Amino acid sequence: SQTIHQWPATLVQPVGSPLSLECTVEGTSNPNLYWYRQAAGRGLQLLFYSVGIGQISSEVPQNLSASRPQDRQFILSSKKLLLSDSGFYLCAWSDRMGTQYFGPGTRLLVL
Amino acid sequence: AQSVSQHNHHVILSEAASLELGCNYSYGGTVNLFWYVQYPGQHLQLLLKYFSGDPLVKGIKGFEAEFIKSKFSFNLRKPSVQWSDTAEYFCAVLSGGSYIPTFGRGTSLIVHP
Repeated sequence: SQTIHQWPATLVQPVGSPLSLECTVEGTSNPNLYWYRQAAGRGLQLLFYSVGIGQISSEVPQNLSASRPQDRQFILSSKKLLLSDSGFYLCAWSDRMGTQYFGPGTRLLVL
Repeated sequence: AQSVSQHNHHVILSEAASLELGCNYSYGGTVNLFWYVQYPGQHLQLLLKYFSGDPLVKGIKGFEAEFIKSKFSFNLRKPSVQWSDTAEYFCAVLSGGSYIPTFGRGTSLIVHP
């Protein structure tokens, strides 16, 4: 069966520091991968998606970037964090019919 | 662009009450429709989905949803809620040929025992 991992679970970082959040998927090949930010009362904001290695599409201009160095690995990064980057970040993969499968999320607090 | 509206942001019910959460979308072409649920402290997970066929679909834990094409709606229902249904519920729509689902803002449901 498919499994999706995210780490770390919680992260506290100072403003201006770099960020690297990792997501890996097991049990499927060539998945579509997604990064979302979830804010209370605002639903899920799609940040990036990828349909293959090295193929990244950005939905929202921001201080973040994404990379997909391997088929089942998706990384969310920032060179310099802002206070506004605080939030709950979700990684997901989708099957060919579009059903999304979500990871446990990373709670990021920028101080 | 597709948009999804969930009209109820916060719903508070007593156990055994009936539930209906509204979901409307804007794009009128072929769509795949989903309801996801996030229980406290757990992953966001699929509750039910509609791709084609019978417009009344049944999901886990006694939930069902009805696709009404003429109304662009996919409302979620449960005849009798339980305390364990306390969660956040998200409606999502995937337009034909797209990789990108559009999510509603979510509805927070609290069920009092």
